[in-house]
Amino acid sequence: GAVVSQHPSWVICKSGTSVKIECRSLDFQATTMFWYRQFPKQSLMLMATSNEGSKATYEQGVEKDKFLINHASLTLSTLTVTSAHPEDSSFYICSARSSGSGNTGELFFGEGSRLTVL
Amino acid sequence: GEDVEQSLFLSVREGDSSVINCTYTDSSSTYLYWYKQEPGAGLQLLTYIFSNMDMKQDQRLTVLLNKKDKHLSLRIADTQTGDSAIYFCAESFLLNAGNNRKLIWGLGTSLAVNP
Repeated sequence: GAVVSQHPSWVICKSGTSVKIECRSLDFQATTMFWYRQFPKQSLMLMATSNEGSKATYEQGVEKDKFLINHASLTLSTLTVTSAHPEDSSFYICSARSSGSGNTGELFFGEGSRLTVL
Repeated sequence: GEDVEQSLFLSVREGDSSVINCTYTDSSSTYLYWYKQEPGAGLQLLTYIFSNMDMKQDQRLTVLLNKKDKHLSLRIADTQTGDSAIYFCAESFLLNAGNNRKLIWGLGTSLAVNP
């Protein structure tokens, strides 16, 4: 199957700093990428839908200025957590949809990035 | 609104069959998915079923869909210790004419396989 890579896998930062997480589709072009947040023992919460070359669509309750999403190319989307606080500590997962997945709309997921804010 | 519910835990003995159940509220979904998440890892698509099907079999996995009752199940035959993971069901909706889709996720069922 298609491969989606996230970087970094783990990041620890001080409160008030900004952290950038990258999501790359390695062997396919992804016009749409999704960013999720997962709290311990909970399901994935969709944060935003990112379309290449346009502004991301944020889910209700997700702060656009807090979680900056950039999808500048067909293989790269980035999530920047600005002025991070301890409550932003979470597991962030991206997914991408390959145009080759046809009508199933199959999503391919990155390995996730665990953010810890001290 | 859309909602997907799953039982949170399931424990089985190695070699037995596991059945993980999921219920959903919105009947306009087009595809329903089962994803597996191993500890500290991302999600892996296990299988999916189109909403006009009622059964799909893929090796040890059998998916049953009851559209009338809005019930989806995943059966794992001959469950192995390597099957221990969290299993998420998700239903897919078309967002717009551009074929963008949104997934609504259940909370996940944690499967423990005992030797």
